[in-house]
Amino acid sequence: AQKVTQAQTEISVVEKEDVTLDCVYETRDTTYYLFWYKQPPSGELVFLIRRNSFDEQNEISGRYSWNFQKSTSSFNFTITASQVVDSAVYFCALIYYNQGGKLIFGQGTELSVKP
Amino acid sequence: EPEVTQTPSHQVTQMGQEVILRCVPISNHLYFYWYRQILGQKVEFLVSFYNNEISEKSEIFDDQFSVERPDGSNFTLKIRSTKLEDSAMYFCASSEQGPNSPLHFGNGTRLTVT
Repeated sequence: AQKVTQAQTEISVVEKEDVTLDCVYETRDTTYYLFWYKQPPSGELVFLIRRNSFDEQNEISGRYSWNFQKSTSSFNFTITASQVVDSAVYFCALIYYNQGGKLIFGQGTELSVKP
Repeated sequence: EPEVTQTPSHQVTQMGQEVILRCVPISNHLYFYWYRQILGQKVEFLVSFYNNEISEKSEIFDDQFSVERPDGSNFTLKIRSTKLEDSAMYFCASSEQGPNSPLHFGNGTRLTVT
């Protein structure tokens, strides 16, 4: 079965706190891609990162970092020193290789960063 | 930065009416998609389109739905006879190098069926 689980429905933090958004996926294939998207209150979906299943290196982009662990089928997302502008719904998504663009999204985690 | 544009931003229609949602993908992208998000729920795949034909579609994409690329720039989603449960945000997306490359989404069209 193809499934993405984001167990945290809502997270609330105070500005400057670090926060980690969890993502666990189920696969039936060895070749797949994982994504994170951000959906701010304005509603659009903003691409953040893509990771393929053969690349387990962690990635850092500014205050954002991602931890990919195949052994636990997890692809967690950490925001360091959170800011109010980080408030959004964050979606983790999975696609199998050559599956025609069928991204499987998790339920999303709504992050609220308070000043 | 080039972006996917969708029109209208909000469409209200009566049950049973036909609607056409319009999208202009990023110009050098070859793969196009429609997704939808019912309020408060996760984003769901509807259909992917490449080389003027559907590559893959979900079980949601039944005979009431169709897609078309009528010219070199537009990509449309038609719902023939809308139902209340079609009310959702519809996202168009495009990608450059195929479905495994990042999908770039438009701002969405909120469809309200009354």
